[in-house]
Parts: sequence; C-alpha cells; structure tokens
Amino acid sequence: DSGVTQTPKHLITATGQRVTLRCSPRSGDLSVYWYQQSLDQGLQFLIQYYNGEERAKGNILERFSAQQFPDLHSELNLSSLELGDSALYFCASSVGREETQYFGPGTRLLVL
Amino acid sequence: GEDVEQSLFLSVREGDSSVINCTYTDSSSTYLYWYKQEPGAGLQLLTYIFSNMDMKQDQRLTVLLNKKDKHLSLRIADTQTGDSAIYFCAEKGGGYQKVTFGTGTKLQVIP
Repeated sequence: DSGVTQTPKHLITATGQRVTLRCSPRSGDLSVYWYQQSLDQGLQFLIQYYNGEERAKGNILERFSAQQFPDLHSELNLSSLELGDSALYFCASSVGREETQYFGPGTRLLVL
Repeated sequence: GEDVEQSLFLSVREGDSSVINCTYTDSSSTYLYWYKQEPGAGLQLLTYIFSNMDMKQDQRLTVLLNKKDKHLSLRIADTQTGDSAIYFCAEKGGGYQKVTFGTGTKLQVIP
C-alpha cells in the first residue's frame, strides 16, 4: 500500500458526460501528479500540482482540468467524454517538487 | 521530448534470472526508476538509482546503469511466478523535469 488513495475505483459513464476523479496523497506529500494509462498510448503524464499550484503540464486535453485543494487532495475533471477517454487514471504523490513518486491504485474509467 | 524505450515482452523460467533493459535519451538524467505493475493495480516503486551510481543492489534486485550508453537494466535473481508483471523504467532530468516513463516490459515467468 503506497499510502495514495483514489476514488472511485471504477467509473462507467456515457459519451458527453463529465466525471470527477479524486486523489488523496500520502501524508506529508505536497506534489500530486495525474497520469492516463491506455492500451495504445501507454502511461501518459497529464499534470502536476505542488502545494496547490500547477507545476507542470503534460499531454492533458483542454476538456480535462485538475486542481489541488488546501488539504492537498486533488481532483481531475474530465468533461465532454469520448470513447477514447476510456483508460486507467493514476494519481501519484511525492514529498516535494522533484522527489520519487508513489502511485495510487488508479481509477478505471469506461466511457460507453 | 525525452524518450525511454523498453522491449515489450520477456519470458523466463522460474528460478532463472531475468534481465529487463531500458534505454533513454536524456543526457541530464538525475534519477532513474524501476516500477512494477501487477494486473489491475497501480505502479509500485521497486527501486531507483541516482545517476552518479553504476550499480545498486537490493535483495534479489540489481540495477545497473551505463550512463555513457544511457542504458539501464534491472536484474531479478531467482525469478518467481509472483514476479510476473509489467516493469516500467522511468527517468527524471535535472532541475525541474517531469518523469518520463517507458512503455513497460511484460515479464512472464513460466513455472
């Protein structure tokens, strides 16, 4: 158990809908990272927050957004969902801005 | 951008050693990581090596780093069926740089 929690574990929704994925980092970790893992794209970095501020952006679509709250938990919002958004979404956390990342168990999203 | 490459698949017999290889392009890498992903689970950090090291050993795991050739390997001694998983290599550049993950190597251990 890495200490990173993600909810929900599974999510099934329809195209055009909006969902919110939640992540709680390990106690004391200030950075949160979001990744998307799909069969054809591998593990793709989406975005990083450090102590509430956006730190780095990767291959994140404009339909997706994230934020990190004062209690350091983070939410990833996915809107106008498409079939191709079906994937595993992982959250990871680290102590600082650059340290080793520890991953949560992931949220499996299925868009029908 | 930076690139990390791994072979997709490796099959070994139980009790043999497994060697999973990785190459990367970032000449300013500071940390290199190995993660393990079991089916339906998240990525579990196995070990990492700082770029000024050549080797790191941790129980059955040995990491070798050839910085000149930008080649990283993970050796698992006495491979067990529980080692069957996908292994990801990842590297982080100097300063603030995001971590780049490889595509993962699926290790199959044959009893």
